Amino acid sequence: GENVEQHPSTLSVQEGDSAVIKCTYSDSASNYFPWYKQELGKGPQLIIDIRSNVGEKKDQRIAVTLNKTAKHFSLHITETQPEDSAVYFCAALLAGYALNFGKGTSLLVTP
Amino acid sequence: NAGVTQTPKFQVLKTGQSMTLQCAQDMNHEYMSWYRQDPGMGLRLIHYSVGAGITDQGEVPNGYNVSRSTTEDFPLRLLSAAPSQTSVYFCASSERGRGNSPLHFGNGTRLTVT
Repeated sequence: GENVEQHPSTLSVQEGDSAVIKCTYSDSASNYFPWYKQELGKGPQLIIDIRSNVGEKKDQRIAVTLNKTAKHFSLHITETQPEDSAVYFCAALLAGYALNFGKGTSLLVTP
Repeated sequence: NAGVTQTPKFQVLKTGQSMTLQCAQDMNHEYMSWYRQDPGMGLRLIHYSVGAGITDQGEVPNGYNVSRSTTEDFPLRLLSAAPSQTSVYFCASSERGRGNSPLHFGNGTRLTVT
């Protein structure tokens, strides 16, 4: 949706390198920020989420950081592997109950 | 658990035809929603429901109707299909009705309108 901007739209990294995807949102009342991974032919799957009372959250090779003042949040994937290749979506919960998604980042990890 | 089940997986319609995309979840989730996914556009919210008997419009509701008569089912109806509705449609559910808990997606319905 137009209230969540995601960059870059495509990202190519070598296996073992780190990948960073950034999102900005417009609604200062947003308080829930999930990240989804979508593999070809499947529905998106949640990989990590963060709430506005937390600045950073980590789960093994994946981390998300949130800067509420600047209204942006980022996904960091370390030690990338070929199976990390997929489309990644950020999202922000707007006022009410609507989760708005960014337009997606196609990540390619080359061996 | 089957999770979120969408049927059919593929559908081709002619302009003006009607059809219903089915969505069922077996997790007793309060919240259900429909998204469409178009190349370069990400996921856009069509309609959502925070519980049985309650529905509301999302970002792109025109041309679609929904109802939520049971907790488990959330069908999406196209009354008169148009080529602009060619897309991949995803149904998603979450435990809590406020949209701030993880969404579980089905595997999608690929719709082509000729």
